[in-house]
Formats: sequence, structure tokens, C-alpha cells
Amino acid sequence: AQTVTQSQPEMSVQEAETVTLSCTYDTSESDYYLFWYKQPPSRQMILVIRQEAYKQQNATENRFSVNFQKAAKSFSLKISDSQLGDAAMYFCAYRNFGNEKLTFGTGTRLTIIP
Amino acid sequence: SAVISQKPSRDICQRGTSLTIQCQVDSQVTMMFWYRQQPGQSLTLIATANQGSEATYESGFVIDKFPISRPNLTFSTLTVSNMSPEDSSIYLCSVVFWTSGGQSSYNEQFFGPGTRLTVL
Repeated sequence: AQTVTQSQPEMSVQEAETVTLSCTYDTSESDYYLFWYKQPPSRQMILVIRQEAYKQQNATENRFSVNFQKAAKSFSLKISDSQLGDAAMYFCAYRNFGNEKLTFGTGTRLTIIP
Repeated sequence: SAVISQKPSRDICQRGTSLTIQCQVDSQVTMMFWYRQQPGQSLTLIATANQGSEATYESGFVIDKFPISRPNLTFSTLTVSNMSPEDSSIYLCSVVFWTSGGQSSYNEQFFGPGTRLTVL
């Protein structure tokens, strides 16, 4: 079975600074997808960014980018120019190719300091 | 994308009773999931609910405790039966929807706003 580990229960960053959230995973599969989801206090889970394992290029979405290290099974999220609206729980998630079930990490609570 | 609503948004229930949570989607979708998020914890998949077939439950979850209905492609219900305080959680439904972004298209999972259940 696949597992996803987020070793940082809480992180904080000054507004406009950059923060990196860590995620490691364990799988024996070669084809899979990785995701970062954001869950603000409103509880609505929102997809932030996705990465296909077969792609060597790291995904980017505006201020959000990932550092995907397949051999190390590491998938960190970098948030640049942090904004107050970025405050939320961030979950790293994994799914196998051809299977829509998601396995989530335990989450990192991100606080933005004005 | 898909717009998903859940009812109720929150409820406080007595031990031993049952609560049915509804999930409504604004588009027809084949795959729907139900997750549980216990206080301060991550999301755990309860079951997969595909229209026209019995729900498939994950290890640790059984149909007698969490019966699921999926009568059509836009609606599903999850019942939490014979509740105990340990069932206090947020329950979320999600759907898989084909999405186009940039130069690629892919399946994306969209989540409902969740139902916060407190069992006394």
C-alpha cells in the first residue's frame, strides 16, 4: 500500500516571503500522480497543483511550484510571495495511474504572518 | 469543473441515532467517493460509489455502518448508522471530473464542502 508522509504539522511564513512544505511518499509503482490540496477554514478542498510521475519537469501554477524528486520519493511545495489567503491546511496526496483513489498525508497547517 | 453541495453542512446528533448526508453534483459523474476527516487529521477514504453498482468499501469500513446509495449520476447519500462519539468527523464527498488545463486534459477530483458531524 502507498503511504504519504508530511513531517511538518505546522509552518509559518511572513507575508511576501517564500515557504516550502515537505512531502515524502512510498510506492512500488512507476506510474502515478502527486497532488497538493489546500483546505482553508471553510473546509473546501481545493487542488493547488498536480504532478505526473512520468514528467521530469516540475509543475508550476503561478506562485506555486513543486520540487519532484522521483528517486528520493519526495514532492515538496514552494509558495512564493506568500499572501494572507494562502493560510490553510495543505495536504499532499498520491494516486496510482488508472486508479482515482487518493491517499492523503497528515497535512501541514500554514500560517501567514502579516 | 464540478459544483458539489452537501446537506447538512453540520449536525449534532445523539449516540445511537443515524444521520444521512446528501451529496449533489451539478453535472453527471461516474465516480464518486466518500471520505472521513477526523478532528485534526487527514482524509481517509470510506468507499467508492459508482452509479449502477454496489459501493466498494475500504478496509475498516463496512456497509452496515456506512450504507451508501447512488441512485443516479448526480446524487449520492452516506448514512452514518448507530453513531458513537468516535464518529464525530467531517464527511466529504468528491467526484472525478474530466478537466482541461493548459495543454493537457486529465481527471481531477473535486470535493464537496463537507458535513461536520458531532455525536454526543
